[in-house]
Amino acid sequence: DIQMTQSPSTLSASVGDRVTITCRASQSISSWLAWYQQKPGKAPKLLIYKASSLESGVPSRFSGSGSGTEFTLTISSLQPDDFATYYCQQYNSYPSTFGGGTKVEIK
Amino acid sequence: QITLKESGPTLVKPTQTLTLTCTFSGFSLSTSGVGVGWIRQPPGKALEWLALIYWDDDKRYSPSLKSRLTITKDTSKNQVVLTMTNMDPVDTATYYCAHSDYGDHGAFDYWGQGTLVTVSS
Repeated sequence: DIQMTQSPSTLSASVGDRVTITCRASQSISSWLAWYQQKPGKAPKLLIYKASSLESGVPSRFSGSGSGTEFTLTISSLQPDDFATYYCQQYNSYPSTFGGGTKVEIK
Repeated sequence: QITLKESGPTLVKPTQTLTLTCTFSGFSLSTSGVGVGWIRQPPGKALEWLALIYWDDDKRYSPSLKSRLTITKDTSKNQVVLTMTNMDPVDTATYYCAHSDYGDHGAFDYWGQGTLVTVSS
C-alpha cells in the first residue's frame, strides 16, 4: 500500500493567515491526489483533485500543488469557515489511501 | 443533482455480518467511468478506504479487509451494497459511500452523510 503522511497533524492559525499543509507519498503517485475538508459530524468535502485542480464551487483561496511524492494544500487567507480537518488521498493505485489528517485550529 | 445515502443497522454484535446499502440518485452506475466507493472513519480517527465498484462490475478492495468484504451493485435499483463479515468492536466507525468518475477526475466528489455503526455485545 502507498502510505500518505500529512504534516503537521495540528496547526494553530489566525484569520487572515496563509496556511500550508504537506502530504508526502511513500512512492510516486504522479498527480493522482485529492484534498478534502471535513467538519465535525459531516462528510468530507472535495476541495482539490489531480493535485492542483479546484473543485467547482470551492473558493479560490484554496490551492494545491505538487507531483510525484510531495504535495501541498495552501489556504491563502484563512477564513472562519476554514477551521476544519483536512485530508489528502492518493488514487493512483489500489488500495487508495488517505493521510492521517491535519486539524486547523483557531490560534 | 447527485445524492447518496447510506442505510443499515446502527448496532451489530461481534462476529455478526454487517450489510450496508448505499442508495443514490443523479447518476447511473452503468455509465462508463463511474464508480461508488465505501470509506469508513472510526470516532476521532482518520478516513480509511474500504472498497470500490465500477460501472463494468470491476471491484477493488482494501487488501487488509479483502477476506471480509463484498461489494455488489444493483443498477436497476441505484444501489451499492457492502457486506463485512466477522464484525469486531474495532470496526465501530461511521461508514460513508461516495461517487467517483474516472471519465472526469476520479476523486470522490459526492459523499453520503454517513452512518455510524457500533459493534458491541
